[in-house]
Amino acid sequence: QKEVEQNSGPLSVPEGAIASLNCTYSDRGSQSFFWYRQYSGKSPELIMFIYSNGDKEDGRFTAQLNKASQYVSLLIRDSQPSDSATYLCAVRREGADGLTFGKGTHLIIQP
Amino acid sequence: DADVTQTPRNRITKTGKRIMLECSQTKGHDRMYWYRQDPGLGLRLIYYSFDVKDINKGEISDGYSVSRQAQAKFSLSLESAIPNQTALYFCATGATDTQYFGPGTRLTVL
Repeated sequence: QKEVEQNSGPLSVPEGAIASLNCTYSDRGSQSFFWYRQYSGKSPELIMFIYSNGDKEDGRFTAQLNKASQYVSLLIRDSQPSDSATYLCAVRREGADGLTFGKGTHLIIQP
Repeated sequence: DADVTQTPRNRITKTGKRIMLECSQTKGHDRMYWYRQDPGLGLRLIYYSFDVKDINKGEISDGYSVSRQAQAKFSLSLESAIPNQTALYFCATGATDTQYFGPGTRLTVL
């Protein structure tokens, strides 16, 4: 059973709108949660990480964590065509090193 | 200059050949990782290392071996390559929880 689940998409969002990306995880011992962006043929780049329940904002990005529901989300405000990419959710489980990744959600921002 | 470099960037080889992928970093991180990425399967951890004396298996270590030659260098070897090892391989370095990925090596095993 896959431990980190994401809808593969594609998720299509009009330019300027809010893009909402979701991720669920199965291990309640997961401690750290990450969002990476990956452009086609490129390496993943870290956007945000979150440890505690609630929201964490960084510029146009907001990460939301709900440990009771085992749910992590990423909101992208004022979406731009350059935000079109695959977004990877990753978790670090308690006592583990290395990250467990979801398969990613392909986001398309339509001009 | 890039903080994490990988060589080669692309490699085509034949079944049964020995292959080494190399990773170097200038970030000064102790932790280094090897992942592979396959379409539809996402990124999966192969091996990781906390320092030159510490090597740990990840989720999919069978068929692979690693060597941590120095703090800044971490190599991945395929002793006898097989076609299902065709994938995109990423090296990453880390400090605490954050990980930074190299540009990747696209490996094709025929």
